[in-house]
Parts: sequence; C-alpha cells; structure tokens
Amino acid sequence: SQTIHQWPATLVQPVGSPLSLECTVEGTSNPNLYWYRQAAGRGLQLLFYSVGIGQISSEVPQNLSASRPQDRQFILSSKKLLLSDSGFYLCAWSVPGQTIPLHFGNGTRLTVT
Amino acid sequence: RKEVEQDPGPFNVPEGATVAFNCTYSNSASQSFFWYRQDCRKEPKLLMSVYSSGNEDGRFTAQLNRASQYISLLIRDSKLSDSATYLCAVGHDKVIFGPGTSLSVIP
Repeated sequence: SQTIHQWPATLVQPVGSPLSLECTVEGTSNPNLYWYRQAAGRGLQLLFYSVGIGQISSEVPQNLSASRPQDRQFILSSKKLLLSDSGFYLCAWSVPGQTIPLHFGNGTRLTVT
Repeated sequence: RKEVEQDPGPFNVPEGATVAFNCTYSNSASQSFFWYRQDCRKEPKLLMSVYSSGNEDGRFTAQLNRASQYISLLIRDSKLSDSATYLCAVGHDKVIFGPGTSLSVIP
C-alpha cells in the first residue's frame, strides 16, 4: 500500500532563517506531488505541484520554492522566512494522470517568530 | 469570485440530526469532485467521492449537480464523532479546495 511521510511535524523558526520541509511517498511510482499551506482559520492554498522529476509548477508567487530531486521526494524550501509563512504545510500525492483523490501527509506546523 | 466556495458555518446540530453542506465551483470544466474531512490540527482525510448519480456511504450521501455547478454532502443521524471541518475538493488540471464548513454535533 502507498504511504506518505512528511517531516518534521512541528517547527519553530525565527524570521529570516531558511526552511526545508521534506516529503516522501512509498508504494507508487511517478506520483503527482503537491504542497499546500493552511493558514490559521483559512482554507487550503495550493503552493506547488509536480507531475515528474524536475517538473515544478508554482501557484502563488512568494519566497518559497519546491524541488523534486527524486521520483518520490518533494522538498519545500525558503531562503528567508517571513512571519506570514507561518501555517500548516501539507504534502499530498495522487495517482499519475489523475489530480484527485489526494492523499495527505500528517503535515508540518510551522511557526515563524 | 472564488473558484470553490462553501458556507463556513459553524453548523451546530444536536445528535441524530440531519445536516447538509453545499459547495459551489466556478470552473465548468472541472472533472473530479470529492469531500474531505479535517479534524482540528490534523491533515484532511478523504471522505467520499461525488458523482452525478449520487454516492452513498452509510449515513453519508454526496451529490453532484453539474448544471448548477454545486456539490452537496448530506449527513444523517449525526454522531458526536462527526464534529469536524468538511472540505469540498474540485479537480481539473489541479485540485482546489473550498474553505471548509465547520460542524459541531452537540449531545
């Protein structure tokens, strides 16, 4: 069966510090991969999605970036965090060629102080 | 207009009540529709898919109306454990989630 791992679960970082969140999927090949963010009391905002290695689509211009160095690995990064980057970051995957259903990781709760 | 809209609620209902949520979407080319459930401070979990012909899973019924571009979720005989936020998801080339509707089932 397919599983998705996301870490860390929680993170407290000062403004201006870098960020790296990692997500890996097991049990499937060439999945579609997604990064979403959910700000406190807000809906899910699609940040990036990828249909293959090195293929990244950005949905929202901001100081975040994403990379897919391996088929089942998706990384969310920032060089300098802003207070507004605080939120609940969720990685998700879907079957190749299909956009949904999405299956989410446990999420990373990021607080920028 | 937002791509996917939901009544944010909260819906506060007694145990045993029937409650219905609606979700509207703007992209007529949307092809896939789902309902997710999200518990407080947890990741969304897939609840059920939505088809034009209707989809029923126990106490839950989902329906799609393509002409009016909305989907619905009906929960019968509400349980305390149904308390959560319910998100609709609409997919075409990407997946857009509604803001969610909060449900509290009261003893």
